[in-house]
Amino acid sequence: KAGVTQTPRYLIKTRGQQVTLSCSPISGHRSVSWYQQTPGQGLQFLFEYFSETQRNKGNFPGRFSGRQFSNSRSEMNVSTLELGDSALYLCASGRQALGEKLFFGSGTQLSVL
Amino acid sequence: AQKITQTQPGMFVQEKEAVTLDCTYDTSDPSYGLFWYKQPSSGEMIFLIYQGSYDQQNATEGRYSLNFQKARKSANLVISASQLGDSAMYFCAMREDGVKAAGNKLTFGGGTRVLVKP
Repeated sequence: KAGVTQTPRYLIKTRGQQVTLSCSPISGHRSVSWYQQTPGQGLQFLFEYFSETQRNKGNFPGRFSGRQFSNSRSEMNVSTLELGDSALYLCASGRQALGEKLFFGSGTQLSVL
Repeated sequence: AQKITQTQPGMFVQEKEAVTLDCTYDTSDPSYGLFWYKQPSSGEMIFLIYQGSYDQQNATEGRYSLNFQKARKSANLVISASQLGDSAMYFCAMREDGVKAAGNKLTFGGGTRVLVKP
């Protein structure tokens, strides 16, 4: 059974640009959540999508957005990149019910120059 | 507010020995889930073990076991027979599943770096 797939693995962008990251969950999983990991702030929740609807949102500016498609694949977009957006972005997938395990992808390492 | 505390920033362990990683949590939600993940230097977050707040027995997954002490709000990870490949960062995380349920939102601790010595 395939795991959670995140693409691309690495990205280098410059300030002011925008970026789109992709996450394909485990087959049958309808929940996809996104996290930002930095050395200073640790792992922080960005948002979660379930059945194409945003179910929960963390405390991030509006430059961070996402969406989920009917096949449960999710994309995360960051507009007007800032140096502080440099981070490892991880997505996790899970089933419908709470109480289930959550599995992560390998992450996308974003560097903003 | 929910909170996860991992008090050990780093530790060394001898190969083949057992190691316990501490995790305490704080929540007022009666229903919650506790997770442990391993993150090697490659960055991927690997699921290790899960414990639900209403589970009667401590969770086990191979060499990993979770010492769940609900009254003390602790969920320590025990790795038995450490291997060199166990060297990594380990994160404890919690999800509130009850009245304060917020979907699949995890709150993470700061992590513990484990280095296994041969």
